Amino acid sequence: AQKVTQAQTEISVVEKEDVTLDCVYETRDTTYYLFWYKQPPSGELVFLIRRNSFDEQNEISGRYSWNFQKSTSSFNFTITASQVVDSAVYFCALSEARGSTLGRLYFGRGTQLTVWP
Amino acid sequence: EAQVTQNPRYLITVTGKKLTVTCSQNMNHEYMSWYRQDPGLGLRQIYYSMNVEVTDKGDVPEGYKVSRKEKRNFPLILESPSPNQTSLYFCASSSPQEREGYEQFFGPGTRLTVL
Repeated sequence: AQKVTQAQTEISVVEKEDVTLDCVYETRDTTYYLFWYKQPPSGELVFLIRRNSFDEQNEISGRYSWNFQKSTSSFNFTITASQVVDSAVYFCALSEARGSTLGRLYFGRGTQLTVWP
Repeated sequence: EAQVTQNPRYLITVTGKKLTVTCSQNMNHEYMSWYRQDPGLGLRQIYYSMNVEVTDKGDVPEGYKVSRKEKRNFPLILESPSPNQTSLYFCASSSPQEREGYEQFFGPGTRLTVL
């Protein structure tokens, strides 16, 4: 069965610290997609990144970076030099592939990140 | 402006009174989905639709119905709501094109309370 585990329920850091949010997934599919979403205190859900199962390249976007490792079924998210505006709930998600489109989606329970000034 | 709209945003109702939460997107997306968000449980998918007249169950479909008669609309129907369906509901749509990243665009959410 598909499953996404975000073991860290809450993380608190002080501004400018680096922080890594962990995501471990389970799937029997060979083709799948992994996502990270952000939910700030205002409540909207914001897409951050998608990774295909066959693309293990790490990605960096400004202060954000993602480390995808199939060997450990992990897709971790690092924020470098955190800022107060990074405070949010972060969700990792897994989607099966249905042909060339998305199938069912599985979200982790989320990690509440609080960045203190 | 590209967006997903949901109505109503807030709803308080009583057990057993049928209700519909509407969802509409203006991005010509084929994939649409409904989620519920509960404290400590994250987001759980209720139903999804890969195209018109094509729907499938997500993780927690019991007590819900959906229909996809038009590409832009994907209403969520609660035939006989119960208190355990009190939750925050999100509708989302996504482009089926991989080059567009399969990014899901979420609506603003509907907070439902069933008394």
